[in-house]
Amino acid sequence: DQQVKQNSPSLSVQEGRISILNCDYTNSMFDYFLWYKKYPAEGPTFLISISSIKDKNEDGRFTVFLNKSAKHLSLHIVPSQPGDSAVYFCGAMDSSYKLIFGSGTRLLVRP
Amino acid sequence: GAVVSQHPSWVICKSGTSVKIECRSLDFQATTMFWYRQFPKQSLMLMATSNEGSKATYEQGVEKDKFLINHASLTLSTLTVTSAHPEDSSFYICSARDLRLVTTNEKLFFGSGTQLSVL
Repeated sequence: DQQVKQNSPSLSVQEGRISILNCDYTNSMFDYFLWYKKYPAEGPTFLISISSIKDKNEDGRFTVFLNKSAKHLSLHIVPSQPGDSAVYFCGAMDSSYKLIFGSGTRLLVRP
Repeated sequence: GAVVSQHPSWVICKSGTSVKIECRSLDFQATTMFWYRQFPKQSLMLMATSNEGSKATYEQGVEKDKFLINHASLTLSTLTVTSAHPEDSSFYICSARDLRLVTTNEKLFFGSGTQLSVL
């Protein structure tokens, strides 16, 4: 049973446009959510996070939105750049700091 | 930010041998570390929680006798893949929690991973 789901395995956007990556979770005990960027054979790189007490967090070109009632979060990247092309994982964490990842979304930003 | 070192970054071994992977927190103490595994084009799957001074907690479906975890000090956790077989070939990643940084947005710090190939 997947507790964290990323239903879009891939996404392609034009450079300069907005990229929206989605993530759903089922466990109501999750109280902290994170987004990572990852390349093959490398560790994940932290991008942005949000606590369950908030509904939005912004850091530069990255914004994460949380809809707690729908158990849904999304990552917005605007404007998208070719260097953003990578696999993005969302993660959900409970109070034990155990982090569960989604299946990932491969983002391709076309020049 | 806090640094987690993972070694080796790449290992090839023969089937039936055991491989040890080290995860070190370089500038902080970590009472809790986590081990993940990623198969090609798949998600990072949590294998176990490594607790300093006590037994590791394994996720459902992960064989504790196959994947031995030792967290003997506050800065080192090791994962030993015993009697490795080709199906154990995967990318293994550790992460550590820095107790000092209770308010950090990042929460966990990841190693760079170990690519294990079992022939």
